[in-house]
Amino acid sequence: AQSVTQLGSHVSVSEGALVLLRCNYSSSVPPYLFWYVQYPNQGLQLLLKYTTGATLVKGINGFEAEFKKSETSFHLTKPSAHMSDAAEYFCAVRRGGGGSQGNLIFGKGTKLSVKP
Amino acid sequence: DAEITQSPRHKITETGRQVTLACHQTWNHNNMFWYRQDLGHGLRLIHYSYGVQDTNKGEVSDGYSVSRSNTEDLPLTLESAASSQTSVYFCASSVQGALTDTQYFGPGTRLTVL
Repeated sequence: AQSVTQLGSHVSVSEGALVLLRCNYSSSVPPYLFWYVQYPNQGLQLLLKYTTGATLVKGINGFEAEFKKSETSFHLTKPSAHMSDAAEYFCAVRRGGGGSQGNLIFGKGTKLSVKP
Repeated sequence: DAEITQSPRHKITETGRQVTLACHQTWNHNNMFWYRQDLGHGLRLIHYSYGVQDTNKGEVSDGYSVSRSNTEDLPLTLESAASSQTSVYFCASSVQGALTDTQYFGPGTRLTVL
């Protein structure tokens, strides 16, 4: 069965500092992995996704994530935080196998705060 | 532009009442999903549909039902609202048949059950 663990429900960084949001997964099939962002009072939107191929995935707004199979991780990074990055971030893995293979399993989310 | 909309955006109801939340998408996606979002739980899947007349239960389906009579709409019904169903509800859609495809989310409905 697939599952996702996001380490840290809250992360606070200073503007201009590195952003690192951690995600570990478990999957019995080759994983398809996603990061979504949720701004206050809005729905989720896709930041980036890993399917196959290059393990370093670049997304919108300067974010990127690296798929590390040996560590079962898909951590999200951004070199320099901006105030507009303050939001909640969700890691998700595609459920594999059977009739529910189109579904996503979400982590509990990490709320990112950016201090001026 | 194609989009996914939810209505109402906010709803207050009383325990025991039937409530229906609407979801409408104009992308012609076959897959549609309903999630609830609660503090400390992230998003949990309530029901999903892979096409017209197809509906399936998710991990937290008790007390909820859906029906899919056309491609564009997947209404979510709370048969007899309970305080435990106070939550923010999100609808999403995606293209059929693509495991790697993106789910597109609506803006959410905040439901309060008193």
